[in-house]
Amino acid sequence: EAQVTQNPRYLITVTGKKLTVTCSQNMNHEYMSWYRQDPGLGLRQIYYSMNVEVTDKGDVPEGYKVSRKEKRNFPLILESPSPNQTSLYFCASSPGQGAPNNQPQHFGDGTRLSIL
Amino acid sequence: GEDVEQSLFLSVREGDSSVINCTYTDSSSTYLYWYKQEPGAGLQLLTYIFSNMDMKQDQRLTVLLNKKDKHLSLRIADTQTGDSAIYFCAESRAGGGADGLTFGKGTHLIIQP
Repeated sequence: EAQVTQNPRYLITVTGKKLTVTCSQNMNHEYMSWYRQDPGLGLRQIYYSMNVEVTDKGDVPEGYKVSRKEKRNFPLILESPSPNQTSLYFCASSPGQGAPNNQPQHFGDGTRLSIL
Repeated sequence: GEDVEQSLFLSVREGDSSVINCTYTDSSSTYLYWYKQEPGAGLQLLTYIFSNMDMKQDQRLTVLLNKKDKHLSLRIADTQTGDSAIYFCAESRAGGGADGLTFGKGTHLIIQP
């Protein structure tokens, strides 16, 4: 079954304690991206990756890092989380190779982070 | 800057048609998308339309695009309880790259029995 898997689904942690949210897709997709969803703001893109070792900033990259060492995995790293990063996070993937396939077609089920 | 606007709520009776509207500002948009988000789940791509088209139909879904007015709509025929979700309109900026997607804030579709 084609899927995007995020872990953990829920996490409560404290300010400054480094955390990583993993994302894995089994569809051999080239494009992967991370979004955060906040009430009244919709979805905003954090980072995206067009292929292995190719990453770029989205609209709200501050406070986040990503890596793309393998095609299937695209972890989101919060080196020093702060309360304003409390949000619902989604990983997404798409086949790539030109529009419209560059846009996210498969989303994970989300990770709800609470930073105290 | 780019902006995508949607009304927050739409309530319809089961069996009626639902029409969800969206306006956008970026005239260079190449593709426009509709996503569905069910409770506790990620977004699901429903359909998309290229900016040189004015209509696209896919089973119960009909997308209408008025490029002059920058207005996009999603019509769901014979609305069912399973259609209850949040629907997001999104536009891609020129080039259609992965960095160019702007989402609206979503429309909650509420189905009355």
